[in-house]
Amino acid sequence: LAKTTQPISMDSYEGQEVNITCSHNNIATNDYITWYQQFPSQGPRFIIQGYKTKVTNEVASLFIPADRKSSTLSLPRVSLSDTAVYYCLLSSNTGKLIFGQGTTLQVKP
Amino acid sequence: DSGVTQTPKHLITATGQRVTLRCSPRSGDLSVYWYQQSLDQGLQFLIQYYNGEERAKGNILERFSAQQFPDLHSELNLSSLELGDSALYFCASSPRDRLRYGYTFGSGTRLTVV
Repeated sequence: LAKTTQPISMDSYEGQEVNITCSHNNIATNDYITWYQQFPSQGPRFIIQGYKTKVTNEVASLFIPADRKSSTLSLPRVSLSDTAVYYCLLSSNTGKLIFGQGTTLQVKP
Repeated sequence: DSGVTQTPKHLITATGQRVTLRCSPRSGDLSVYWYQQSLDQGLQFLIQYYNGEERAKGNILERFSAQQFPDLHSELNLSSLELGDSALYFCASSPRDRLRYGYTFGSGTRLTVV
């Protein structure tokens, strides 16, 4: 299965924009890039998903370059409540989701 | 409320015992997935069911089994429990067009084996 690589941890301050980059050199043609957020003792929550270029929703933006070998999740103006683990995954309509270790984002006041 | 219901929320049992975890998927979702999350292993995929049939298996032990019933709810059975089985067990469901809507996870069952 294709794997993703992302930083283990990141620190930020309230009000800043946070960008988390994910590498997926072996992404397949039918793979989409998906991001989930998980708070302690809660189930992961779907944030955003994209195939190429840029996708934006009410909570985040996802930037995907033309070669699709990496992607960047952008969280605008983070708050303390955005402290969580963020997972980058590759998904298709037939495959199961395989989670890596994720990026632990710590937002400080 | 995500729409995926897991019961019980907490479970404490002794080694060697057997427990059953229950999951009701979001209305209309045919696929159910089970994940185990322990401190040292992260989120591990266990098994997937689609409309009553097993579709994929992950790192599921032989002591564990699951099934999906005609009403689409699913049960994960854990037997001969060991201390190392203590973990959060999550159930997720997805619609046919999972690429558009993603997976929806329940709030989990925290299993403690003593």
